[in-house]
Amino acid sequence: QQQVKQSPQSLIVQKGGISIINCAYENTAFDYFPWYQQFPGKGPALLIAIRPDVSEKKEGRFTISFNKSAKQFSLHIMDSQPGDSATYFCAASLNAGNMLTFGGGTRLMVKP
Amino acid sequence: DAGVTQSPTHLIKTRGQHVTLRCSPISGHKSVSWYQQVLGQGPQFIFQYYEKEERGRGNFPDRFSARQFPNYSSELNVNALLLGDSALYLCASSFGTQTPQHFGDGTRLSIL
Repeated sequence: QQQVKQSPQSLIVQKGGISIINCAYENTAFDYFPWYQQFPGKGPALLIAIRPDVSEKKEGRFTISFNKSAKQFSLHIMDSQPGDSATYFCAASLNAGNMLTFGGGTRLMVKP
Repeated sequence: DAGVTQSPTHLIKTRGQHVTLRCSPISGHKSVSWYQQVLGQGPQFIFQYYEKEERGRGNFPDRFSARQFPNYSSELNVNALLLGDSALYLCASSFGTQTPQHFGDGTRLSIL
């Protein structure tokens, strides 16, 4: 049973544009929502994470928006750059723990 | 400082064989988690160990086992390999069980 659904599967954005990736979860007990970036041949790297007590968190060009009532959260990448081209994964866990349930991933391509 | 290191980087096995994958966490990290990432999908949680004790297990058959050593390094063992076990196996370490995880670059396991 997929508990975290991610969309879109792939995304093409022009340089300087905004990339938006969405995730929806089913388990209302989830209380930690990180986003990971993965380049080919590399392991996932933590980008930014949010707890459900806040609706938005920003770190540099990356922003998480969180909607607890809708059980949805999204990643916004502002001023997208070709170097941002990678696969992005949302995830969720219980008790802010490290047993993560990942979404299926979004392959982002930023065109110069 | 060295990140999470995994060995070997690539491995080819045949059906029915046994495999052992190894992980060295970041210095000072006491928790190690294992994930399986099938090509084109998000990582799936297999095990978490903290202070040498199993703290969590994902939905994987008993053919999968793991352990953590006194120096906090870890091994993942898979018996009676199946074609479907072909995947990238990721190790992640963290200081505790509720702190950000850092992933290694994985072991690519191919089953022939």
